[in-house]
Amino acid sequence: AQKITQTQPGMFVQEKEAVTLDCTYDTSDPSYGLFWYKQPSSGEMIFLIYQGSYDQQNATEGRYSLNFQKARKSANLVISASQLGDSAMYFCAMREIRGGSEKLVFGKGTKLTVNP
Amino acid sequence: DTEVTQTPKHLVMGMTNKKSLKCEQHMGHRAMYWYKQKAKKPPELMFVYSYEKLSINESVPSRFSPECPNSSLLNLHLHALQPEDSALYLCASSQEDLRGRGYNEQFFGPGTRLTVL
Repeated sequence: AQKITQTQPGMFVQEKEAVTLDCTYDTSDPSYGLFWYKQPSSGEMIFLIYQGSYDQQNATEGRYSLNFQKARKSANLVISASQLGDSAMYFCAMREIRGGSEKLVFGKGTKLTVNP
Repeated sequence: DTEVTQTPKHLVMGMTNKKSLKCEQHMGHRAMYWYKQKAKKPPELMFVYSYEKLSINESVPSRFSPECPNSSLLNLHLHALQPEDSALYLCASSQEDLRGRGYNEQFFGPGTRLTVL
């Protein structure tokens, strides 16, 4: 079974600074994909970034980047130049294929608070 | 249109009531999902529909009954729920094929906050 671990229940960062949210995973599949989602207090899950197991480079999307260390089975999210609007829950998730369909297995999440 | 809509936003129901949650997307996505999320917990998958057919049922109690009338709509029928079923119910959709990108992100709706009295 696939497993996602996020060990930081809460993180604090000053506005305009960078922050790293940790995610480790466990899978026996050679092909896998990792997602990061943001969930503001409004409840909607917002896709941020994806990293595939065979991707040669770390994924980047604007202020979001992934520090992907395959041998250590970690896919940490780096948010640069934090903004007040970045305050939210952040979930790391792994793609699992079942019955021909994809499902996401989520970690427990990290609550990020950006201080002014 | 890159939006998944869900109605109602809030729902309060008694244990003997029958109600339905609705989800709609017009992005041409052929996979649709129902998730349940308790407070301070991650979303938990309930059902997946692929091309309007139920492809994954995560051993959800029969008091939850999903329905996919067409490729744009997904319903969740609720009957004889328990107070512990109170949660945020999220709907999501995604492309079914990878289209050369290697991945499909799921697009989530804003959710329905359900309270069972």
